[in-house]
Amino acid sequence: KQEVTQIPAALSVPEGENLVLNCSFTDSAIYNLQWFRQDPGKGLTSLLLIQSSQREQTSGRLNASLDKSSGRSTLYIAASQPGDSATYLCAVDSNQFYFGTGTSLTVIP
Amino acid sequence: SAVISQKPSRDICQRGTSLTIQCQVDSQVTMMFWYRQQPGQSLTLIATANQGSEATYESGFVIDKFPISRPNLTFSTLTVSNMSPEDSSIYLCSVVGATEAFFGQGTRLTVV
Repeated sequence: KQEVTQIPAALSVPEGENLVLNCSFTDSAIYNLQWFRQDPGKGLTSLLLIQSSQREQTSGRLNASLDKSSGRSTLYIAASQPGDSATYLCAVDSNQFYFGTGTSLTVIP
Repeated sequence: SAVISQKPSRDICQRGTSLTIQCQVDSQVTMMFWYRQQPGQSLTLIATANQGSEATYESGFVIDKFPISRPNLTFSTLTVSNMSPEDSSIYLCSVVGATEAFFGQGTRLTVV
C-alpha cells in the first residue's frame, strides 16, 4: 500500500521568505502527484499537478518538482505572503489517491 | 476542470441522528469519491460511487453506517448514520478529471 509522508508537519516563516515543503512516497508506480491547499475547515484547492512523466510544474510563485525514482516531491513557494498560510497536502495517484498528513504553514506579517 | 458544490458546509448534530451530505458536479462524471478527514489527520477514502451500481467501500467503512446514493452522473449523497462523537470530521466529495482530482468545499460535522 502506498504511504505518503510530509515534512515538516508545521512551518512558520516571516513574510517574504522562500520555503520548501517536502513529500515522500513509498511506491514509485504513480500516475501523477498533486499538491493541494486546504484552509481551516474547508475543502481542498488544487495547486499543481505533476504527471509521472514530468519533473516539475510551475504556477506563479509555486514550483513543484517530482523525482519518481526516489519517491520525492517538493513544493517551493517563493516570496511567501500571509495569504499563503494554510495546510498544504500532497497526494499521489496510484489507482487511488493517497494523501499525506500535510504541512501547516504560517506566514508571519 | 470540474466545479463541485457540496452542502451543508457545516453542521452540529446530536448523537444517534443521521446527516446527509450532497455533492453536485457541473459535468457528468463516472465515479465520485467520498473522503473523511478526522481532526489532525489526512484524508481517508470512504467509498467510490458509480452511477447505477452500489458503491464500493474501503476497509473499515460499511454501507449501513455510510449509505451512498448516486442517482445520476452529476450528483451523489453520503449519509452518516447513527452518529457518535467519533464521526466528527470533515467529509469531502471528489471527482477525477483526465488526471487531476477536484474536491468539494467539505462538510464540517460536529457530533455532540
